[in-house]
This record gives sequence, structure tokens and C-alpha cells, in this order.
Amino acid sequence: AQTVTQSQPEMSVQEAETVTLSCTYDTSENNYYLFWYKQPPSRQMILVIRQEAYKQQNATENRFSVNFQKAAKSFSLKISDSQLGDTAMYFCAFFVNAGNMLTFGGGTRLMVKP
Amino acid sequence: EPEVTQTPSHQVTQMGQEVILRCVPISNHLYFYWYRQILGQKVEFLVSFYNNEISEKSEIFDDQFSVERPDGSNFTLKIRSTKLEDSAMYFCASRTPGGPDNEQFFGPGTRLTVL
Repeated sequence: AQTVTQSQPEMSVQEAETVTLSCTYDTSENNYYLFWYKQPPSRQMILVIRQEAYKQQNATENRFSVNFQKAAKSFSLKISDSQLGDTAMYFCAFFVNAGNMLTFGGGTRLMVKP
Repeated sequence: EPEVTQTPSHQVTQMGQEVILRCVPISNHLYFYWYRQILGQKVEFLVSFYNNEISEKSEIFDDQFSVERPDGSNFTLKIRSTKLEDSAMYFCASRTPGGPDNEQFFGPGTRLTVL
């Protein structure tokens, strides 16, 4: 079974600064997919960024980038130039075809301060 | 852009009553999912559905739960006799086989309150 751990329950950052959210996972699978989802107060689940395990290059989406360390089973999210609208819960999630389900971490509540 | 829709957005029910939560997945998607999020907790997998049958289910998904795809568009989650602890946000998701990185598209959720 896969597990996903987010060790930071809450974080805060000043507007325009950079913040990194941590995620580690445990699996015996070799090919899998990792995601970061954002959940604002509306509780909608919004995909922020995704990474396939066999791709060595770290994914980037505008101000969002990941640091994927496969050997360490680490998948951190970096948010650059933080904006007030980035305030939300962030969930790291793991998917493997054999399991056909997303396994989520416990989430990190991010507060961006003006 | 196509999206997953869910109805109702909020359902209030009495303990012991049956509820049906409805979802319309994206039309060309073939895998369908239900997830649950109790307030303040993480999102938990309930069940996946493919080719008109359950493909995976979690320990949470006991005999009180069932899923159905009654027609070509709707995907429903039924809770037969609701308990207080069923109060949660329920998310439907769908994906297409071979889609980019197997991304699952989530609906906006149904907030279920059991009194």
C-alpha cells in the first residue's frame, strides 16, 4: 500500500516571497504519478501540477515548480512570487495504475500574508 | 472546457435516511471515482468504477454504500442508511485511459450533513 506524508500542517509566507511545501511518499512501484492539488475555502479540488515518475525533469507550471527526488521519495512544491490567492490547503497525491486510486497526504494549510 | 458536475451542492438528511449523490463525469472519460473528505481531514478514496463495475474499493466503502451508472451520463453514490459519521464532502472524479499523467478531474463536491 502507498502512503503519502505531508509533515507541515500549516505554513505562512509573505506576499511575493517563495515557499516550499514538503511531501514524501512510500511505494514499491517503479512507475507512478504525483500531483499537487489546491483546495481553496470553496473546497473545490484544483490540480496545480503533476509529475510522472519516469520523467527526470522537474515539472513547472508558471509560478509553481516541483523538486522530485525519486530515490528519496520526495516531491516538494515550490511557489514563487506568492499571491494572496494562493492561500489554500495543498494536498500531495500519489497514483499508480495498478491501484487505480489517488492516495492523498494530510494536507498543508498555506496562508499568504499581505 | 468540459468539467465534472455534482448535484446537489449541499444535502442535509436525518440519520438512517438514504441519500443519493449524483455526478456527471466528463463525457469521454471511462474511469469514475468517489472520494470523501471529513471536515479538516484528508481526502480519502472510496471507490473506483470502470466498464460498469467496481474496480477498487476501500475499507470505508462497506455494504451501506453502492454506486451505479444508470445511464450513459450519470454516476451515483448511494448511502443506504446514513450515520452521523457520514457527514463529509463527497467528491466525484473521472479520467480517461491514457490521459496526460492519468489526471483525475474533480467535481465541485457535495457537502453531506447528517443530523
